[in-house]
Amino acid sequence: QQQVKQSPQSLIVQKGGIPIINCAYENTAFDYFPWYQQFPGKGPALLIAIRPDVSEKKEGRFTISFNKSAKQFSLHIMDSQPGDSATYFCAASDGGATNKLIFGTGTLLAVQP
Amino acid sequence: EAQVTQNPRYLITVTGKKLTVTCSQNMNHEYMSWYRQDPGLGLRQIYYSMNVEVTDKGDVPEGYKVSRKEKRNFPLILESPSPNQTSLYFCASSLHRDGNEQFFGPGTRLTVL
Repeated sequence: QQQVKQSPQSLIVQKGGIPIINCAYENTAFDYFPWYQQFPGKGPALLIAIRPDVSEKKEGRFTISFNKSAKQFSLHIMDSQPGDSATYFCAASDGGATNKLIFGTGTLLAVQP
Repeated sequence: EAQVTQNPRYLITVTGKKLTVTCSQNMNHEYMSWYRQDPGLGLRQIYYSMNVEVTDKGDVPEGYKVSRKEKRNFPLILESPSPNQTSLYFCASSLHRDGNEQFFGPGTRLTVL
């Protein structure tokens, strides 16, 4: 019930390509779905987030697509650049008192020049 | 600069030798958490704190202790470390309790021999 399943585990794209990372969840109480970006040797940093009342959110080259009925959400990176090479984590929260984010297992993205 | 700091960044220790990892934030956030990151498992919450003197267990609290005597500091204590606590540890803080934008520290890589 608490899991967030993320795929693929790793992804290689060419510069300018559109990598897509997918996540699925079971807990219908989740109401906040962020994506975190992590560079080697750094902590995760919030990239973009969405709530279930919208189906899509764009911030610059990053887009979250959200499908409430399927309990799935995905991250699309438009015109990907080598500087986007990082590990991406999806996460979910139910807004409860624990302040807890349930993280996916991460996707290592490599954007080749 | 708004930030979460952790010390030490790297630590190698032996089984049973008590250690403390410090965490401090300068954003006046009420909520703080500790996570551990392991390959293939993503990040999992160890403990969290909603305010000074208010702490509670996360998903993987066994073998850890925390304290919150001041709003800015949230140390993680391993009283008798074991090899299965070898991991990458992150402290995080947030203004709101529902997981909105958690700010992560740079991480502490702990090896227990």
